[in-house]
Amino acid sequence: DTGVSQDPRHKITKRGQNVTFRCDPISEHNRLYWYRQTLGQGPEFLTYFQNEAQLEKSRLLSDRFSAERPKGSFSTLEIQRTEQGDSAMYLCASSPKSEQFFGPGTRLTVL
Amino acid sequence: SQKIEQNSEALNIQEGKTATLTCNYTNYSPAYLQWYRQDPGRGPVFLLLIRENEKEKRKERLKVTFDTTLKQSLFHITASQPADSATYLCALEADAGGTSYGKLTFGQGTILTVHP
Repeated sequence: DTGVSQDPRHKITKRGQNVTFRCDPISEHNRLYWYRQTLGQGPEFLTYFQNEAQLEKSRLLSDRFSAERPKGSFSTLEIQRTEQGDSAMYLCASSPKSEQFFGPGTRLTVL
Repeated sequence: SQKIEQNSEALNIQEGKTATLTCNYTNYSPAYLQWYRQDPGRGPVFLLLIRENEKEKRKERLKVTFDTTLKQSLFHITASQPADSATYLCALEADAGGTSYGKLTFGQGTILTVHP
């Protein structure tokens, strides 16, 4: 399967813990995006990478969130000191230009 | 502020009929608009992209129209089937002074149910 993959698919954690998610994009895509989606809503933009450079970060993203894309390949999204409001589906997408190819998402539940 | 609205949260139709979904936007000047399908527990899947200078685009049983004067896109599924049941999302490239890097702003989605 050469699509976008994400790991883990599900994560349950206690409030205050740190979590890290991984995204492996389609190999020839240089654009990578992270989105967050809550029930009944569309995905909400979090951050964007062009190769290894993080070019944009949503103003809605607190400083507890950080993302990296070393060497322009896979990406990680870390949430520090998780809060119950962080519970959501975290989606990664890669793109060659316009249309975006999404992974299956990581569902985070913060207890 | 920029806003995208999909006209209904849920749409129920009979198999074989045409489903029509609406996406309205305000305070945008998008270069293009996209439609995605999302099944429960899965990521969105790209369906169609229509550019601002295109009035209509078709792909198999799907048709999208884009009216930049009305600031509206219509998404049609003809000869609908129960397998078409899913959430459909419209998305616009967020306008950030021409350097939006392709990031998308999504509508809230319309849940389509096609009954046999």
